[in-house]
Amino acid sequence: SQQGEEDPQALSIQEGENATMNCSYKTSINNLQWYRQNSGRGLVHLILIRSNEREKHSGRLRVTLDTSKKSSSLLITASRAADTASYFCATDKTGANNLFFGTGTRLTVIP
Amino acid sequence: EAGVAQSPRYKIIEKRQSVAFWCNPISGHATLYWYQQILGQGPKLLIQFQNNGVVDDSQLPKDRFSAERLKGVDSTLKIQPAKLEDSAVYLCASSYHGLANQETQYFGPGTRLLVL
Repeated sequence: SQQGEEDPQALSIQEGENATMNCSYKTSINNLQWYRQNSGRGLVHLILIRSNEREKHSGRLRVTLDTSKKSSSLLITASRAADTASYFCATDKTGANNLFFGTGTRLTVIP
Repeated sequence: EAGVAQSPRYKIIEKRQSVAFWCNPISGHATLYWYQQILGQGPKLLIQFQNNGVVDDSQLPKDRFSAERLKGVDSTLKIQPAKLEDSAVYLCASSYHGLANQETQYFGPGTRLLVL
């Protein structure tokens, strides 16, 4: 079974609004990463947050990590139509050197 | 720098036929990954190479899937014989060091396989 699970499965917002996606995982991790996948394309790395970090920013992206709740959130501020994509969290397992991807959140930003 | 290249982009075959996918990683990247992404799901790792050696192939269905990375650069993934449930996008990714949980993986555009 996959390590991470995103919530919601699908999200539709108006351009300019903020979008929040959540990721829950099952076992202890070293790091958590978020990736974006545009329709019909490969995945693009967005941000990595380490297990000893609680929050990280990159441009319009804000990621939080709560290891006690085994959850992370990705916030996209001032969304644009170009943000329309699927967003995946990817986690490792302590002692493992590979990534486990969740099922993804499909974000639609309406112009 | 050039990204990860994959070919073909699309492939349609009938069940029990064989198919091969090719991947050329980013120059200098030691580690190469093959993922299977079924519609509506996240990518699932099939095999991970470090240079030309296999690091992890625990989720590779070895009765029908095989992969090689000769000379530690290009890689091919083969399915023989294909089943209907193999219909998916096959993604290749590479990373510099191979510490998958600590560094960025760079993905190719994928090969979309349809098995009829």
